Amino acid sequence: SQTIHQWPATLVQPVGSPLSLECTVEGTSNPNLYWYRQAAGRGLQLLFYSVGIGQISSEVPQNLSASRPQDRQFILSSKKLLLSDSGFYLCAWSVGRGTGNTIYFGEGSWLTVV
Amino acid sequence: AQSVAQPEDQVNVAEGNPLTVKCTYSVSGNPYLFWYVQYPNRGLQFLLKYITGDNLVKGSYGFEAEFNKSQTSFHLKKPSALVSDSALYFCAVRLYSSASKIIFGSGTRLSIRP
Repeated sequence: SQTIHQWPATLVQPVGSPLSLECTVEGTSNPNLYWYRQAAGRGLQLLFYSVGIGQISSEVPQNLSASRPQDRQFILSSKKLLLSDSGFYLCAWSVGRGTGNTIYFGEGSWLTVV
Repeated sequence: AQSVAQPEDQVNVAEGNPLTVKCTYSVSGNPYLFWYVQYPNRGLQFLLKYITGDNLVKGSYGFEAEFNKSQTSFHLKKPSALVSDSALYFCAVRLYSSASKIIFGSGTRLSIRP
């Protein structure tokens, strides 16, 4: 069965410091991968998605970037964090290109920028 | 523009009573609709989805949802609420124009009182 791992679970970083959140998926090949951000425990904002290695689509101009160095690895990064980057970050995956395919989520990473 | 809306920020129901969490959508072409649940500090869990076929879709934990094309709605229902159903619920729609993206509603907080 497929599983998704996301780490670290919790992170407290000072303003201006770098960020790296990592996500890996097991048990499947060539997944679609996503990074979402959830602010204030409510709506989800799609940040990036990737349909293959090295293929990244950015949904919102921001202080973050994403990379996919391997088929099942998705990394969210920042060179210099802002206070507004605080939030709950969720990695997710799906398989196939059909519109009916379900997206499955990791357990999330809490980022607090201080 | 394609979108999904959850008109209620919060729904309060007594345990044992039926519950409904509302969702309406606006998409081009055939809609692909999903419901997710999120418990505190956790990732989103998939409940059910509508792709095609029967308008009544059954999912996890006794939940079901009714697709209504004329009203462009996909309301989540359960015949008898449990206290453990208290959580944040998200409706989502797959964008017809992009197989890789899914857009979420703002979420509805469901509170079940004993």
